[in-house]
Amino acid sequence: KNEVEQSPQNLTAQEGEFITINCSYSVGISALHWLQQHPGGGIVSLFMLSSGKKKHGRLIATINIQEKHSSLHITASHPRDSAVYICAVGTQGGSEKLVFGKGTKLTVNP
Amino acid sequence: KAGVTQTPRYLIKTRGQQVTLSCSPISGHRSVSWYQQTPGQGLQFLFEYFSETQRNKGNFPGRFSGRQFSNSRSEMNVSTLELGDSALYLCASSLAYGLRTEAFFGQGTRLTVV
Repeated sequence: KNEVEQSPQNLTAQEGEFITINCSYSVGISALHWLQQHPGGGIVSLFMLSSGKKKHGRLIATINIQEKHSSLHITASHPRDSAVYICAVGTQGGSEKLVFGKGTKLTVNP
Repeated sequence: KAGVTQTPRYLIKTRGQQVTLSCSPISGHRSVSWYQQTPGQGLQFLFEYFSETQRNKGNFPGRFSGRQFSNSRSEMNVSTLELGDSALYLCASSLAYGLRTEAFFGQGTRLTVV
């Protein structure tokens, strides 16, 4: 079982819809990162969370440390939101590193 | 403020050769970490350097190595290239080690081994 599980793997939405991407993890973490990757490879860091909730524009990220679960929400989705969204956790302990989920491919149709 | 710069952007090498990739972090960032991305395995952590010291290493063979210079620029070397090393190699810089602060990624180097 992967240390970081994302769902769904693929998501297709119509413009304007509310989107939720989920991330569950099984290890102790120092922080959780949500990343966005567009075709061509470049990765942009959207959020870094260690507790609670953060909002940036139409994007909202939440984390529940007790349940080891995080969600990324996109309100009023737009075709330019089409990308792969990746959840990554910074692990605690002797070997600190980023462990990644497999990503969620989001396609928003006009 | 300049972002994270990776060079080269694209590279084609032959099996058995070796390759060196470069990553210049954001000014002031002392942590540089390296990742391999393949369609099958997704993103995987290679190693992290902080203040010229390797702090953590992922589960990759010894053919994968790296170093960090006093100006925080980092290089990654892969020796005796195999076809399976074809991947997008990404580096990220951050202020603190262990990725406890926001990570900023470069555009990546796409390596093709033929």
